[in-house]
Amino acid sequence: GAGVSQSPSNKVTEKGKDVELRCDPISGHTALYWYRQSLGQGLEFLIYFQGNSAPDKSGLPSDRFSAERTGGSVSTLTIQRTQQEDSAVYLCASSLDGGPGEQYFGPGTRLTVT
Amino acid sequence: GENVEQHPSTLSVQEGDSAVIKCTYSDSASNYFPWYKQELGKGPQLIIDIRSNVGEKKDQRIAVTLNKTAKHFSLHITETQPEDSAVYFCAAHRWGAQKLVFGQGTRLTINP
Repeated sequence: GAGVSQSPSNKVTEKGKDVELRCDPISGHTALYWYRQSLGQGLEFLIYFQGNSAPDKSGLPSDRFSAERTGGSVSTLTIQRTQQEDSAVYLCASSLDGGPGEQYFGPGTRLTVT
Repeated sequence: GENVEQHPSTLSVQEGDSAVIKCTYSDSASNYFPWYKQELGKGPQLIIDIRSNVGEKKDQRIAVTLNKTAKHFSLHITETQPEDSAVYFCAAHRWGAQKLVFGQGTRLTINP
């Protein structure tokens, strides 16, 4: 079946511009996660959505970052007034119910801020 | 909060030899420990996981061991093959926290 998809695969933007990154989770998965992976680094948790509950935003690095999940499915991560330090690969993952179990990752969006 | 340390950061082994990657965690309430493999340009993919009520789990050439007392767990790959070359991440999950905390990753290179 279809896995987690993300778009765009690559995004180059100028410093100060806003960007939107999209994630389509696996159908039926109620939990959705966003992570950031800087070059050669591990995965940094950003935000977590579970069903209709309020999202866990504890990993967002600044108020320039926000995310929404419409209809319990597609999610958009928005970065406003991008900075060079925002350059990274942004990974989305989904899981069946948010409990301790497999998270299925998308291929990521590579963001480059010039 | 939970902190996961992973070692080594890079590992190079000869094809056919074994590779071992180790992780330690700080939160004794963590109860689920997955290992992910990330190939170049792709998202991480689960290769094996273990829960806190089990000490060891094997799946063909890969195995994971867990020592709850010492709060560490390890990934063992035997009879390594070139396709095992990738970055490997360990992670820990505490029930109720609803998120994984990842180690920094190990770049494994298999030399033919």
